[in-house]
Amino acid sequence: QKEVEQDPGPLSVPEGAIVSLNCTYSNSAFQYFMWYRQYSRKGPELLMYTYSSGNKEDGRFTAQVDKSSKYISLFIRDSQPSDSATYLCAMRTGGSQGNLIFGKGTKLSVKP
Amino acid sequence: ETGVTQTPRHLVMGMTNKKSLKCEQHLGHNAMYWYKQSAKKPLELMFVYSLEERVENNSVPSRFSPECPNSSHLFLHLHTLQPEDSALYLCASSSAVGGSGPRNEQFFGPGTRLTVL
Repeated sequence: QKEVEQDPGPLSVPEGAIVSLNCTYSNSAFQYFMWYRQYSRKGPELLMYTYSSGNKEDGRFTAQVDKSSKYISLFIRDSQPSDSATYLCAMRTGGSQGNLIFGKGTKLSVKP
Repeated sequence: ETGVTQTPRHLVMGMTNKKSLKCEQHLGHNAMYWYKQSAKKPLELMFVYSLEERVENNSVPSRFSPECPNSSHLFLHLHTLQPEDSALYLCASSSAVGGSGPRNEQFFGPGTRLTVL
């Protein structure tokens, strides 16, 4: 079983739709959960960061972590064509040796 | 220049060539990373440097040789590569290795698209 599972898509939605992106993981020691956005021909940029379980909201983006189910989600409300990108989940354990473990990324396309 | 820069942005090389990828961070960070990003695969961590000292080498073949002369610069020297080494090579930096909180966020460069013929 891979440490982090993420459906690579592609996912295509109309403008204004609510988008749900998900990852599952197997390592119960993961404590920090992140979503990165990667536009074409660019490096990933940190979009959302969550520690432990719970929700975090930032504008149109909401990140959810359910540690009991080992499941994390990113919701995008009122999606825009500018949200078209690949979204990578990433997570790590605590401590000085906690390297980031990434999912494969989900390619999202928001059609006008 | 701001953030993390990488040169060249694109590189095509034969299997017998020797080339180098360069990364420079302008963020005052102490940790730098090389990742490999292949289609349909997760980012693979290759090397981690903390204060110019290599702290992690994730079973990377010896045809990839990193060099960190100072905390702002990171190189990846390439020789006798294979076609399966074709990928996007990303450099990242952070204030420290591991740690906690978004203050230790990794900032990525735009990557070097490498094609090995």
